[in-house]
Amino acid sequence: QVQLMQSGAEVKKPGASVKVSCKASGYTFTDFHIHWVRQAPGQGLEWLGWISPASDGTTSAKRFQGRVTLTRDTSISTAYMDVSRLTSDDTAVYFCARGGENGFDFWGQGTLVTVSS
Amino acid sequence: SYELTQPPSVSLSPGQTARITCSGDALPKQYAYWYQQKPGQAPVLVIYKDTERPSGIPERFSGSSSGTTVTLTISGVQAEDEADYYCQSADISGTYQGVFGGGTKLTVL
Repeated sequence: QVQLMQSGAEVKKPGASVKVSCKASGYTFTDFHIHWVRQAPGQGLEWLGWISPASDGTTSAKRFQGRVTLTRDTSISTAYMDVSRLTSDDTAVYFCARGGENGFDFWGQGTLVTVSS
Repeated sequence: SYELTQPPSVSLSPGQTARITCSGDALPKQYAYWYQQKPGQAPVLVIYKDTERPSGIPERFSGSSSGTTVTLTISGVQAEDEADYYCQSADISGTYQGVFGGGTKLTVL
């Protein structure tokens, strides 16, 4: 069965960076994009960007360009999201999701990133 | 930037029909998708490409589209349907930019 398994919770200080991983299983990793979405406490969903595991092409949301870096390692079917220059506003649960023409059909369990001094 | 607009909340009794709308200028040109999210859980896709229902989603969930508005309909709402619902689409005027609506809290009284 399709699964996306994310790395564990992180606590970071303002100004630091965080890297979240998303390991895919149960399907061919290069057949679908991986999208990243976050949710601040009590808030809605916010799209951050996507990566094509096949081509390594990426697109980030305009307001995160320069601060969000998306990468992948096809040998271990894992996608990564790196967020730099963290502030308290980046405290959120970060999700990866498998994306295709039929939407974001499978989601990771979420990774809580807390930014606090 | 492109925005999708949803009502913040909808409340109704079990057995009634819930209709949650989502408005956006590009919706006539771009498909919409709907996600259900319960507290502490990841979102779940309930409608894709405006009207299609993934396998495993109950038949009481349906989607429709008219002009700049798409609608998620839940016929015969059940207590287990109480959740936040988000519409999602994309702005492809430049490079792909995903966008979510602000979410609608469905309360089953």
